Amino acid sequence: NAGVTQTPKFQVLKTGQSMTLQCAQDMNHEYMSWYRQDPGMGLRLIHYSVGAGITDQGEVPNGYNVSRSTTEDFPLRLLSAAPSQTSVYFCASRVTGGGYTFGSGTRLTVV
Amino acid sequence: AQKITQTQPGMFVQEKEAVTLDCTYDTSDQSYGLFWYKQPSSGEMIFLIYQGSYDEQNATEGRYSLNFQKARKSANLVISASQLGDSAMYFCAMREALNTNAGKSTFGDGTTLTVKP
Repeated sequence: NAGVTQTPKFQVLKTGQSMTLQCAQDMNHEYMSWYRQDPGMGLRLIHYSVGAGITDQGEVPNGYNVSRSTTEDFPLRLLSAAPSQTSVYFCASRVTGGGYTFGSGTRLTVV
Repeated sequence: AQKITQTQPGMFVQEKEAVTLDCTYDTSDQSYGLFWYKQPSSGEMIFLIYQGSYDEQNATEGRYSLNFQKARKSANLVISASQLGDSAMYFCAMREALNTNAGKSTFGDGTTLTVKP
């Protein structure tokens, strides 16, 4: 099925470890973004991309890196995991003027 | 400053009744969009409905309608004939610079809706 695919669905990291959350979409959407959702709260924008080769920071970018080498893929890298990065991470994509299509989320715990 | 405000942390509605979820926003942009998303207990985020700032008629999608009052900067979601499956968290979001590809979306803190049988 067409949509946004996120992997992994669950991950436990130790403080200081690094990892990459994968996100891929097959809808040819130019715009992709990463959000984090903390318990009982809305989504906060980490990084976004308006097309291949173009990325920019959102509201809470510290501790995260992104790249966009293709239209389809938008991985999120945690450089040195901290307990404050325990959260649910969503990747989303859209067309100009459209609503987001979200991935199923990654539940990350940093111990 | 908070751009999206959802003042109702939790709401209850009887099955088959209608319910309104409130959302107010703040922007100086002329071209913007208001969006509503549903997050069931399973955790996925589902796009429900969209209203553009220049749209003259309120948006409707099945049992969902958006009561857009531009002067009051409100974009309330109305769910008619509530069903048990409507129990979920609902998020209001706003995107400025709607006609460009670069507009970023800001989300409210959400309203938890519980539908009672």
